[in-house]
Amino acid sequence: EAQVTQNPRYLITVTGKKLTVTCSQNMNHEYMSWYRQDPGLGLRQIYYSMNVEVTDKGDVPEGYKVSRKEKRNFPLILESPSPNQTSLYFCASSLKAGGRFSYNEQFFGPGTRLTVL
Amino acid sequence: AQSVSQHNHHVILSEAASLELGCNYSYGGTVNLFWYVQYPGQHLQLLLKYFSGDPLVKGIKGFEAEFIKSKFSFNLRKPSVQWSDTAEYFCAVNPYNAGNMLTFGGGTRLMVKP
Repeated sequence: EAQVTQNPRYLITVTGKKLTVTCSQNMNHEYMSWYRQDPGLGLRQIYYSMNVEVTDKGDVPEGYKVSRKEKRNFPLILESPSPNQTSLYFCASSLKAGGRFSYNEQFFGPGTRLTVL
Repeated sequence: AQSVSQHNHHVILSEAASLELGCNYSYGGTVNLFWYVQYPGQHLQLLLKYFSGDPLVKGIKGFEAEFIKSKFSFNLRKPSVQWSDTAEYFCAVNPYNAGNMLTFGGGTRLMVKP
C-alpha cells in the first residue's frame, strides 16, 4: 500500500532531550516536507526537500533540523526541544516539486503528536 | 507574505443543513487552491482543488468550491451535511511557480449533530 509513515505517533519528552521523528514513504517520491499544526494557525511548513541531499527552510525552521540521505526517508530532528515545539507534526510527500502546471499532490502521513514538558 | 484566512473557526450544524466555509487569501498573483479535510485522528486528505478553468469545482463526498478571483476567495460548500462530515477543514494556497509550497488557513472545525 502506498503510504507515508511516521514514527512515533505520540511522544512525550522533556526540555532539552534530543529527539528524532522519522518519516518514510514507499512511493519513490522526490519531494518531502514537514509541517507543524497548531490550533488556529493551520499547518506551517518547517522544512522541505526537493530530492536527496537537497533541503531548504520553510516558514518556521527555527529549532529543527532535517536530513535527506535516502529518497524514502526524511527525519525531523529536534536537537534541544522546548515547550513551544509541542505540536502535531505532519510529514508529506509528492512525486515531484512542481509549478503551476505540474503541481504534485502532497500525501500526508498520519501525524506525530509531540509534547515537550 | 501571503496569508490564508478562514473566518469561521468553529461551525456547528444539524444534519441536512447546508454548509459554506469561507476562505480568503492575500496573494496578487496566480494561485492554485485546495481544500483539505482532516477527520478525527486521521491525516489530511484532499477534498478538491482548483488550478484553472471553471471556477466551480467539485470534489469528493458532495463538496464543491467556487473560486471568485475578484474577491480572492475560494469558499467550500455542501448542500446537505451528514454526521460523517464532522472534521476539520483547511483551505490552502499554492502560488504560481512556488513549487509545492502550500500556505494553509487556520482551519475550521465542523461539528454535525445527528
